[in-house]
Amino acid sequence: GENVEQHPSTLSVQEGDSAVIKCTYSDSASNYFPWYKQELGKRPQLIIDIRSNVGEKKDQRIAVTLNKTAKHFSLHITETQPEDSAVYFCAASSRSSYKLIFGSGTRLLVRP
Amino acid sequence: NAGVTQTPKFQVLKTGQSMTLQCAQDMNHNSMYWYRQDPGMGLRLIYYSASEGTTDKGEVPNGYNVSRLNKREFSLRLESAAPSQTSVYFCASSEQSTTEAFFGQGTRLTVV
Repeated sequence: GENVEQHPSTLSVQEGDSAVIKCTYSDSASNYFPWYKQELGKRPQLIIDIRSNVGEKKDQRIAVTLNKTAKHFSLHITETQPEDSAVYFCAASSRSSYKLIFGSGTRLLVRP
Repeated sequence: NAGVTQTPKFQVLKTGQSMTLQCAQDMNHNSMYWYRQDPGMGLRLIYYSASEGTTDKGEVPNGYNVSRLNKREFSLRLESAAPSQTSVYFCASSEQSTTEAFFGQGTRLTVV
């Protein structure tokens, strides 16, 4: 069945540095790849998503890249700030599967 | 606009007891999902419903049942709770599997 693997499980960076989180997916029919941020004790919320017809998407300090051939996608956060500290989840889905499958999450810590 | 509402927020059960987690959305979404979140395991899909009247198993369905009562409501039932079902449960909904999913506030369930 569908599987999404996410690395690393924890990431610690200095404020101002960049952070990169990587995911791979198994279902070649997947065509929607969202990223969610979950702050401590809160619900996950969408921060950016990308569809299979584009290779990169940016929104201010965050960007996502997609390599359909290799079946992997990545989240890039530049100029990290302490408020970026949270757990980040990647996910994958397709219209034909009707499922939204998540990776295991990355705990990002931004040190002041 | 309430979004996705889950009840209860907290629950303690004894092994073998049953309970139903309720979820309702007011966004007229077709797709609804139940996830469980355990430390280091990410968000694992228990059951999902692509539309009113349909339900399907996700990654970890054993020990659970669901009902898509109508377009708004999607309930999760534990027939005989086990300590392994101690977790945080999230309900989510989306227009379809390839659009933004909105999460409820979560239910923290402890089985003793």
